[in-house]
Amino acid sequence: GNSVTQMEGPVTLSEEAFLTINCTYTATGYPSLFWYVQYPGEGLQLLLKATKADDKGSNKGFEATYRKETTSFHLEKGSVQVSDSAVYFCALVGKAAGNKLTFGGGTRVLVKP
Amino acid sequence: DGGITQSPKYLFRKEGQNVTLSCEQNLNHDAMYWYRQDPGQGLRLIYYSQIVNDFQKGDIAEGYSVSREKKESFPLTVTSAQKNPTAFYLCASSISGGTTDTQYFGPGTRLTVL
Repeated sequence: GNSVTQMEGPVTLSEEAFLTINCTYTATGYPSLFWYVQYPGEGLQLLLKATKADDKGSNKGFEATYRKETTSFHLEKGSVQVSDSAVYFCALVGKAAGNKLTFGGGTRVLVKP
Repeated sequence: DGGITQSPKYLFRKEGQNVTLSCEQNLNHDAMYWYRQDPGQGLRLIYYSQIVNDFQKGDIAEGYSVSREKKESFPLTVTSAQKNPTAFYLCASSISGGTTDTQYFGPGTRLTVL
């Protein structure tokens, strides 16, 4: 079946530091890949997505590239802010029943001023 | 404004009681989903529906029930058969449930069993 593995947190950074959150996946065929962000006490918001190999998703300074050869979709941001403190989820949609989202376990990021 | 609403935000239940969580969307989406989130964990799919009057079990459907009588509504009932119902419940919708579709999430309902 489909699965997503992402690095465990928490990840603690200083403001303006570089952020990388690793995400690798297992899926049959060609899944679509997503990064969602969850702020405390809220639902999930789509951060970015990529639907085919070598696509780069980007939003709010975050980027991730769909790497089929390494089955990865690592999230990066060059200079984080305190407001980026949240939990980040990597997810995929494959050709399973219902095209359901399969989530990684989430990575908590804490940015200190 | 288009979006997904969930109510209530917080819900308390006594053991042995059934409770129903509301989810409404005005995005004209065909597909709707219910997820459960436990502390420090990812989301797990409970039920999903790709069309009115039809729904399928997800990975953890035991102890839950749903209905889809209207396109915009997908209520979730947590029954007394659910052994550990305390969790954060998230509803989502997408245009058609296709592989490339984005799922949009509501703000969630936090259920606590007393």
